[in-house]
Amino acid sequence: EPEVTQTPSHQVTQMGQEVILRCVPISNHLYFYWYRQILGQKVEFLVSFYNNEISEKSEIFDDQFSVERPDGSNFTLKIRSTKLEDSAMYFCASWGQGKVDYTFGSGTRLTVV
Amino acid sequence: DAKTTQPNSMESNEEEPVHLPCNHSTISGTDYIHWYRQLPSQGPEYVIHGLTSNVNNRMASLAIAEDRKSSTLILHRATLRDAAVYYCIPRGGGSNYKLTFGKGTLLTVNP
Repeated sequence: EPEVTQTPSHQVTQMGQEVILRCVPISNHLYFYWYRQILGQKVEFLVSFYNNEISEKSEIFDDQFSVERPDGSNFTLKIRSTKLEDSAMYFCASWGQGKVDYTFGSGTRLTVV
Repeated sequence: DAKTTQPNSMESNEEEPVHLPCNHSTISGTDYIHWYRQLPSQGPEYVIHGLTSNVNNRMASLAIAEDRKSSTLILHRATLRDAAVYYCIPRGGGSNYKLTFGKGTLLTVNP
């Protein structure tokens, strides 16, 4: 069954550093999403992306965050200057035409120290 | 987004049926009811969805109240692999509608 692949599975970074989280969505999907889950809390929507632009973003997705689809296969989330409170699991998801469900990746655990 | 209420936790024994309830009294007439689950250390996973009629698939059944203010996810024979957090999520029918997760129900399955 097709999968959404996320790399790395775990990343540790120093506060203030930039990080890029990578996702390879399912190949024929057109809608892409990032969610995050702080330990012990709810899964929260960050941003949705379609046709090479952001279609919706949450209040969490401030100027420190950006997304990009640099080529036909990758979808990235960049955090420009990480804060301690950015420590969380980050999930990428994709949705395809004619499908009713999203497919989520297994997540990247980001630890900011 | 419609507000949902689910029990914080439920427990079941292996091989027994499990009924996971969800109240969504503020659901709009066009919202589908989606259920996702999150296994430990995994991303959320689609389980089932429905609009008005009861639905069955290989994973579960979904029973929707006639007034649509509540629904019940039914696992017919729980296995240890079904231990997860289960989320009920009303969602619009449009393609770009985000998923708004609540706290869900943590299902424990005893051997």
